[in-house]
Amino acid sequence: QQQVKQSPQSLIVQKGGISIINCAYENTAFDYFPWYQQFPGKGPALLIAIRPDVSEKKEGRFTISFNKSAKQFSLHIMDSQPGDSATYFCAARGETSGSRLTFGEGTQLTVNP
Amino acid sequence: DAGVTQSPTHLIKTRGQQVTLRCSPISGHKSVSWYQQVLGQGPQFIFQYYEKEERGRGNFPDRFSARQFPNYSSELNVNALLLGDSALYLCASQYRGTTDTQYFGPGTRLTVL
Repeated sequence: QQQVKQSPQSLIVQKGGISIINCAYENTAFDYFPWYQQFPGKGPALLIAIRPDVSEKKEGRFTISFNKSAKQFSLHIMDSQPGDSATYFCAARGETSGSRLTFGEGTQLTVNP
Repeated sequence: DAGVTQSPTHLIKTRGQQVTLRCSPISGHKSVSWYQQVLGQGPQFIFQYYEKEERGRGNFPDRFSARQFPNYSSELNVNALLLGDSALYLCASQYRGTTDTQYFGPGTRLTVL
Protein backbone atom coordinates (compact mmCIF):
# COMPACT_ATOMS: atom_id res chain seq x y z
CA GLN A 1 0.00 0.00 0.00
CA GLN A 2 1.60 3.18 -1.20
CA GLN A 3 1.18 5.90 1.38
CA VAL A 4 3.13 8.67 -0.34
CA LYS A 5 2.38 9.51 -3.96
CA GLN A 6 4.87 11.59 -5.92
CA SER A 7 4.57 13.39 -9.23
CA PRO A 8 5.74 13.91 -11.86
CA GLN A 9 7.76 10.80 -12.59
CA SER A 10 10.17 12.85 -14.69
CA LEU A 11 10.75 16.56 -15.20
CA ILE A 12 12.84 18.53 -17.69
CA VAL A 13 13.63 22.14 -16.89
CA GLN A 14 15.83 24.76 -18.52
CA LYS A 15 18.74 26.23 -16.59
CA GLY A 16 17.51 29.08 -14.42
CA GLY A 17 13.95 27.77 -14.34
CA ILE A 18 11.86 26.57 -11.40
CA SER A 19 11.47 22.85 -10.74
CA ILE A 20 8.37 21.78 -8.83
CA ILE A 21 7.79 18.28 -7.48
CA ASN A 22 4.63 17.32 -5.62
CA CYS A 23 3.78 14.70 -3.02
CA ALA A 24 0.57 13.63 -1.33
CA TYR A 25 0.23 11.43 1.71
CA GLU A 26 -2.57 9.46 3.31
CA ASN A 27 -1.46 8.75 6.85
CA THR A 28 -2.39 11.64 9.14
CA ALA A 29 0.04 10.31 11.75
CA PHE A 30 2.98 11.43 9.61
CA ASP A 31 4.77 14.34 11.29
CA TYR A 32 8.07 14.70 9.47
CA PHE A 33 8.50 15.22 5.73
CA PRO A 34 12.02 15.15 4.25
CA TRP A 35 13.18 15.43 0.67
CA TYR A 36 16.14 13.38 -0.50
CA GLN A 37 18.36 13.85 -3.55
CA GLN A 38 20.00 10.84 -5.16
CA PHE A 39 22.69 10.82 -7.82
CA PRO A 40 23.44 7.66 -9.84
CA GLY A 41 25.52 5.20 -7.85
CA LYS A 42 25.00 7.07 -4.59
CA GLY A 43 22.70 6.75 -1.64
CA PRO A 44 19.97 9.34 -1.01
CA ALA A 45 21.14 12.54 0.69
CA LEU A 46 18.88 14.70 2.83
CA LEU A 47 18.10 17.98 1.09
CA ILE A 48 15.53 19.70 3.29
CA ALA A 49 12.79 18.65 5.70
CA ILE A 50 9.66 20.14 7.24
CA ARG A 51 7.30 19.43 10.11
CA PRO A 52 3.56 20.15 9.84
CA ASP A 53 3.59 23.06 12.26
CA VAL A 54 4.93 25.34 9.50
CA SER A 55 3.62 25.91 5.97
CA GLU A 56 6.91 26.69 4.28
CA LYS A 57 10.63 26.18 4.80
CA LYS A 58 13.38 27.66 2.67
CA GLU A 59 17.05 26.72 2.49
CA GLY A 60 18.96 28.47 -0.26
CA ARG A 61 17.38 27.65 -3.61
CA PHE A 62 15.22 24.87 -2.12
CA THR A 63 11.77 25.49 -0.61
CA ILE A 64 9.23 23.07 0.83
CA SER A 65 5.59 24.13 0.80
CA PHE A 66 3.29 22.18 3.11
CA ASN A 67 -0.53 22.02 3.07
CA LYS A 68 -1.71 20.02 6.07
CA SER A 69 -5.42 20.15 5.26
CA ALA A 70 -4.82 18.84 1.74
CA LYS A 71 -2.17 16.38 2.95
CA GLN A 72 0.21 17.61 0.27
CA PHE A 73 3.72 19.00 0.18
CA SER A 74 5.99 20.12 -2.60
CA LEU A 75 9.61 20.90 -3.36
CA HIS A 76 10.51 24.00 -5.33
CA ILE A 77 14.00 24.39 -6.76
CA MET A 78 14.63 27.98 -7.80
CA ASP A 79 17.21 28.92 -10.43
CA SER A 80 17.64 25.26 -11.37
CA GLN A 81 21.17 24.28 -12.43
CA PRO A 82 22.49 21.33 -14.47
CA GLY A 83 24.15 20.07 -11.28
CA ASP A 84 20.66 19.66 -9.79
CA SER A 85 19.97 16.87 -12.29
CA ALA A 86 19.24 13.88 -10.06
CA THR A 87 16.38 11.79 -8.71
CA TYR A 88 14.37 13.42 -5.93
CA PHE A 89 12.37 11.50 -3.36
CA CYS A 90 9.83 12.83 -0.94
CA ALA A 91 9.35 10.83 2.24
CA ALA A 92 7.31 10.82 5.42
CA ARG A 93 7.72 9.50 8.92
CA GLY A 94 5.26 9.14 11.78
CA GLU A 95 5.71 9.24 15.51
CA THR A 96 4.29 5.75 15.84
CA SER A 97 6.39 4.21 13.08
CA GLY A 98 9.80 4.72 14.64
CA SER A 99 12.54 5.61 12.21
CA ARG A 100 10.71 4.10 9.25
CA LEU A 101 10.68 6.47 6.29
CA THR A 102 7.98 5.94 3.68
CA PHE A 103 9.27 7.15 0.32
CA GLY A 104 7.53 8.33 -2.81
CA GLU A 105 8.47 6.72 -6.10
CA GLY A 106 10.88 9.43 -7.15
CA THR A 107 11.16 12.17 -9.78
CA GLN A 108 13.95 12.15 -12.33
CA LEU A 109 14.93 15.81 -12.79
CA THR A 110 16.94 16.90 -15.80
CA VAL A 111 18.12 20.51 -16.03
CA ASN A 112 19.24 21.43 -19.52
CA PRO A 113 22.05 23.96 -19.90
CA ASP B 1 34.81 12.02 9.28
CA ALA B 2 33.83 8.90 7.37
CA GLY B 3 30.22 8.59 6.35
CA VAL B 4 28.18 5.41 6.28
CA THR B 5 30.13 2.60 4.64
CA GLN B 6 28.69 -0.50 3.06
CA SER B 7 30.26 -3.63 1.65
CA PRO B 8 30.45 -5.10 -0.83
CA THR B 9 29.67 -2.52 -3.51
CA HIS B 10 28.31 -5.05 -5.95
CA LEU B 11 27.30 -8.67 -5.61
CA ILE B 12 26.05 -11.29 -8.03
CA LYS B 13 24.28 -14.38 -6.70
CA THR B 14 22.10 -17.12 -8.13
CA ARG B 15 18.60 -18.08 -7.06
CA GLY B 16 18.47 -20.05 -3.83
CA GLN B 17 21.77 -18.75 -2.49
CA GLN B 18 22.27 -16.75 0.67
CA VAL B 19 23.86 -13.30 0.95
CA THR B 20 25.23 -11.13 3.76
CA LEU B 21 25.54 -7.38 3.39
CA ARG B 22 27.48 -5.21 5.83
CA CYS B 23 27.12 -1.66 7.10
CA SER B 24 29.22 0.55 9.33
CA PRO B 25 27.39 3.61 10.67
CA ILE B 26 28.83 7.04 11.19
CA SER B 27 31.07 7.12 14.25
CA GLY B 28 28.96 7.76 17.34
CA HIS B 29 25.71 6.70 15.69
CA LYS B 30 23.87 3.92 17.43
CA SER B 31 20.98 3.22 15.06
CA VAL B 32 21.04 1.49 11.69
CA SER B 33 18.16 1.01 9.29
CA TRP B 34 18.08 -1.09 6.13
CA TYR B 35 16.14 -0.25 2.98
CA GLN B 36 15.62 -2.04 -0.33
CA GLN B 37 15.52 0.10 -3.47
CA VAL B 38 14.30 -1.65 -6.60
CA LEU B 39 15.32 0.06 -9.83
CA GLY B 40 13.03 2.98 -10.59
CA GLN B 41 11.33 2.99 -7.19
CA GLY B 42 11.77 4.65 -3.83
CA PRO B 43 13.52 2.84 -0.96
CA GLN B 44 11.41 0.43 1.07
CA PHE B 45 12.05 0.01 4.80
CA ILE B 46 13.27 -3.43 5.89
CA PHE B 47 14.62 -3.16 9.46
CA GLN B 48 15.77 -0.74 12.13
CA TYR B 49 18.22 -1.64 14.88
CA TYR B 50 19.03 0.59 17.84
CA GLU B 51 21.40 -0.39 20.60
CA LYS B 52 21.57 -3.90 19.16
CA GLU B 53 17.82 -4.47 19.38
CA GLU B 54 15.31 -4.66 16.53
CA ARG B 55 13.09 -1.58 16.74
CA GLY B 56 11.14 -1.93 13.52
CA ARG B 57 10.45 -4.36 10.70
CA GLY B 58 8.95 -3.67 7.31
CA ASN B 59 6.75 -5.91 5.19
CA PHE B 60 9.44 -8.36 4.11
CA PRO B 61 9.45 -12.17 4.38
CA ASP B 62 11.33 -14.07 7.05
CA ARG B 63 14.07 -14.80 4.51
CA PHE B 64 15.33 -11.35 5.47
CA SER B 65 17.10 -11.02 8.80
CA ALA B 66 19.55 -8.62 10.37
CA ARG B 67 21.60 -8.00 13.45
CA GLN B 68 23.62 -5.22 15.03
CA PHE B 69 26.94 -5.75 16.73
CA PRO B 70 28.36 -4.13 19.91
CA ASN B 71 30.30 -1.65 17.73
CA TYR B 72 26.94 -0.68 16.11
CA SER B 73 27.82 -2.11 12.70
CA SER B 74 25.13 -4.24 11.14
CA GLU B 75 24.60 -7.16 8.79
CA LEU B 76 21.61 -7.87 6.58
CA ASN B 77 21.11 -11.51 5.59
CA VAL B 78 18.87 -12.74 2.83
CA ASN B 79 18.26 -16.49 2.42
CA ALA B 80 16.87 -18.45 -0.51
CA LEU B 81 17.40 -15.59 -2.94
CA LEU B 82 14.75 -14.86 -5.54
CA LEU B 83 15.10 -12.93 -8.78
CA GLY B 84 12.92 -10.22 -7.22
CA ASP B 85 15.51 -9.62 -4.51
CA SER B 86 17.70 -7.88 -7.09
CA ALA B 87 17.96 -4.31 -5.82
CA LEU B 88 20.15 -1.66 -4.23
CA TYR B 89 20.30 -2.30 -0.49
CA LEU B 90 20.78 0.88 1.50
CA CYS B 91 21.92 1.30 5.07
CA ALA B 92 20.97 4.44 6.98
CA SER B 93 22.70 5.66 10.12
CA GLN B 94 21.18 7.72 12.91
CA TYR B 95 22.65 9.11 16.09
CA ARG B 96 19.92 7.64 18.21
CA GLY B 97 16.35 6.84 17.31
CA THR B 98 13.33 8.22 15.66
CA THR B 99 13.74 11.98 15.40
CA ASP B 100 17.30 12.12 14.18
CA THR B 101 18.28 12.59 10.56
CA GLN B 102 19.01 9.41 8.63
CA TYR B 103 22.25 9.43 6.66
CA PHE B 104 22.39 6.89 3.85
CA GLY B 105 25.34 4.90 2.64
CA PRO B 106 26.10 4.32 -1.07
CA GLY B 107 24.37 0.95 -1.02
CA THR B 108 25.16 -2.58 -2.15
CA ARG B 109 23.91 -3.51 -5.61
CA LEU B 110 22.66 -7.12 -5.48
CA THR B 111 21.94 -8.97 -8.70
CA VAL B 112 20.25 -12.36 -8.50
CA LEU B 113 20.52 -14.51 -11.64
